[in-house]
Amino acid sequence: EAGVTQFPSHSVIEKGQTVTLRCDPISGHDNLYWYRRVMGKEIKFLLHFVKESKQDESGMPNNRFLAERTGGTYSTLKVQPAELEDSGVYFCASSPQLWGSSAEAFFGQGTRLTVV
Amino acid sequence: GQSLEQPSEVTAVEGAIVQINCTYQTSGFYGLSWYQQHDGGAPTFLSYNALDGLEETGRFSSFLSRSDSYGYLLLQELQMKDSASYFCAVRSTAAGNKLTFGGGTRVLVKP
Repeated sequence: EAGVTQFPSHSVIEKGQTVTLRCDPISGHDNLYWYRRVMGKEIKFLLHFVKESKQDESGMPNNRFLAERTGGTYSTLKVQPAELEDSGVYFCASSPQLWGSSAEAFFGQGTRLTVV
Repeated sequence: GQSLEQPSEVTAVEGAIVQINCTYQTSGFYGLSWYQQHDGGAPTFLSYNALDGLEETGRFSSFLSRSDSYGYLLLQELQMKDSASYFCAVRSTAAGNKLTFGGGTRVLVKP
């Protein structure tokens, strides 16, 4: 079974440009999360989809960030326009609809975004 | 909101035992998880505690005390490959069951 995949693995863009990150969750996982880790600090929550609906987007830093999940499958996170402080590693994670007792979230390898 | 505290760094030698403590504050606590992340890699699930007590999985064990809002991850028989960052994370019904992570503990294993 394929895991969570993210594309691209690395992206270097100039301040003011636009970047779109993509996440393909594990097939059948209704829950999809975006997280960001900046400079080796905490893994910070950005938002949570249940299927195609945004369940919680309280972690989105500002309106320069736009996340979508078309048809409840893959998700994209667009940053427009990018600023220097947006640099970091963006992780996507997915989990089954029913968390149950295992509560395991499966993470992708992340996209390392560098804004110069 | 939710907050978690864990030490920033721990250094130990091969074969030793390391305990990483995690204290948390949250309403509607559901469970405490632990994740391991090697440099440049994805966080990977290690363990989960919803009830008080100790959960053992090979060389790693995790403990939870709900009354103390406290848990720990115990790494035994340390190996060089255990050098990584370890994160505690809480899920709470007040936060829509999303995982909220602590700042991570960097474990450095020396020969």
